[in-house]
Formats: sequence, C-alpha cells, structure tokens
Amino acid sequence: DAKTTQPNSMESNEEEPVHLPCNHSTISGTDYIHWYRQLPSQGPEYVIHGLTSNVNNRMASLAIAEDRKSSTLILHRATLRDAAVYYCILYGGATNKLIFGTGTLLAVQP
Amino acid sequence: GAGVSQTPSNKVTEKGKYVELRCDPISGHTALYWYRQSLGQGPEFLIYFQGTGAADDSGLPNDRFFAVRPEGSVSTLKIQRTERGDSAVYLCASSAQEAPFEKLFFGSGTQLSVL
Repeated sequence: DAKTTQPNSMESNEEEPVHLPCNHSTISGTDYIHWYRQLPSQGPEYVIHGLTSNVNNRMASLAIAEDRKSSTLILHRATLRDAAVYYCILYGGATNKLIFGTGTLLAVQP
Repeated sequence: GAGVSQTPSNKVTEKGKYVELRCDPISGHTALYWYRQSLGQGPEFLIYFQGTGAADDSGLPNDRFFAVRPEGSVSTLKIQRTERGDSAVYLCASSAQEAPFEKLFFGSGTQLSVL
C-alpha cells in the first residue's frame, strides 16, 4: 500500500490559518488523497479528498502538488474545535480500504 | 438521520471469555468496515464487507476474530478466548458504495478492556 508521511504534531493559534503537510512520493495514478480527522474520544471524520485539482469545501481546502507527490490540508481559520489528529490517506485504485498512519496531532492555542 | 451506531460503548471482560461487538451502519450503506485502535495509534483495518460477504478480511489478526453481516446491514465482530492484548477501541464504519472517493462514516467505537 502506498504510504504517506506527516509531521507528528503541529501547533496553531486560534483564528489563524493552518497548513498541514503530507508527503506521498509513491502515489499511483489512481490513488485519491483523502483527509480524515479524529477528535478526542470519537471515531474519525471525513474532511476532504481530491485526485489532481485543488479542492474546497466548508471544512477545509486541499492543495495538491502538480506532481501529486505531496499535498497540504488548509484550515482557513483554526478554532479550538479543530484540535484533533489529522490523517492523510491514499485510497483508490487497488486499495479498497483506508489505511491509517499515525497522523498529525494539531494543537490549537486560544 | 442516524449515524453509525456501535454497542456497547464499553465492554469489560476477563481473559479467556468470548465477546460480541455490534455495529448498526447508516441505512442503505452497502459497505461496512471494522477497525481497531490502540492508544496513540491510528485505526488498524480488520475486515471489510460489501453487502453480506467479507470482501477483504486480511486485517483479522488470527482465527480468534470473526465477523458476520448476515442480512447486509447490522454486523457483529466476535472475539473468542480474549487476551489482554485485544484491549482497544473497536471502530465500525460504513459507506454508500464501493468507490475510491466514497467517504466513510465512523461510529464512536466500543472500548474493549480485557482484564
């Protein structure tokens, strides 16, 4: 399975933008880039996904590098409720299941 | 509408006992997944159902673990002869169809503690 690399932890201040990076140098042409997040004591929650083009939704934006070997999840204005573990996952093609890594623990300071 | 429901939310058992964990997926979702999560780790895939059949059970750690989904909706994860190492949060997820872009909806999990 194609792997992703994320920083173990990041910190942000409330109401500031947050850029969460993800490297996936072995991505295949059919892999989608998915992001999930997990708040304390809850199951993971879908955030956003994309294939080649940048994507926006009400929760976040996803910026995908032209060569698709990296991507960045952007939270435009962090809130305290955004404190969670964020997982970047390659999903699709021959991969019929989400394979989670250890993700990035995002701390948001007031 | 209701999300993915898992029962019980907590289960404490003794080493060697048998346990069943239940998952009620979102109505109409054909795909169902089981994961388990240990403290400080990401969820680990166990098994995936498409309808009633197990499409991929490659994550089940050994033959003490078994899961069923007889009518294509509710699923039960069964663990025989529990061991202390089975202690974890067991998560269930469902999705509307088998597709690489289809998002999964997760339940809040069952915390299993084996004493």
